[in-house]
Amino acid sequence: QQPVQSPQAVILREGEDAVINCSSSKALYSVHWYRQKHGEAPVFLMILLKGGEQKGHEKISASFNEKKQQSSLYLTASQLSYSGTYFCGTEGPGRAGGTSYGKLTFGQGTILTVHP
Amino acid sequence: DTGVSQNPRHKITKRGQNVTFRCDPISEHNRLYWYRQTLGQGPEFLTYFQNEAQLEKSRLLSDRFSAERPKGSFSTLEIQRTEQGDSAMYLCASSSRRPFQNTGELFFGEGSRLTVL
Repeated sequence: QQPVQSPQAVILREGEDAVINCSSSKALYSVHWYRQKHGEAPVFLMILLKGGEQKGHEKISASFNEKKQQSSLYLTASQLSYSGTYFCGTEGPGRAGGTSYGKLTFGQGTILTVHP
Repeated sequence: DTGVSQNPRHKITKRGQNVTFRCDPISEHNRLYWYRQTLGQGPEFLTYFQNEAQLEKSRLLSDRFSAERPKGSFSTLEIQRTEQGDSAMYLCASSSRRPFQNTGELFFGEGSRLTVL
């Protein structure tokens, strides 16, 4: 089942912050975050493994609440280059306790627009 | 360029024709994935290879779809008897497992856009 992302769209001024949420109804092994600009391939941002780790990448960080099966992506002091569609991709525990080996179920995406 | 490459980038075909897409992954990656993306949606998993073995296929992949990865290098995705509902962007991604983790980031190609008339 597809994870649910919220909000569907965000409009920001340069320098403002944003939070994008991703919620799953299934147990998760990991959550991936990708950004896709119009007409381009999705680009990897970060992976969060179960354990509630918060990963950072410059001014973009994320958290993963394994018990609630939720992840949030935090964009701080947004830049024009942050504009694009953000997707979370979830990876569930596979057969025999393993993982689905990179088979991701993506959310519907959150469109982020940053204006000067 | 050492990224994932796909061709053709665009394909327009008539309903009922067969089409084939090719994906060349990052050379050291042993995993290769095919996803399909329609406008306004996230990518949907189609199938996955580890080396030359096709390990999983989505229920989305009907009998008209077949994928191969001979010798564990490039991969092809063939769609037979195309239908208008097959129109989409077909994305290929490759990955390798992170040390001590059972996952890895996906490196996507630019995609092959299929339009079925």
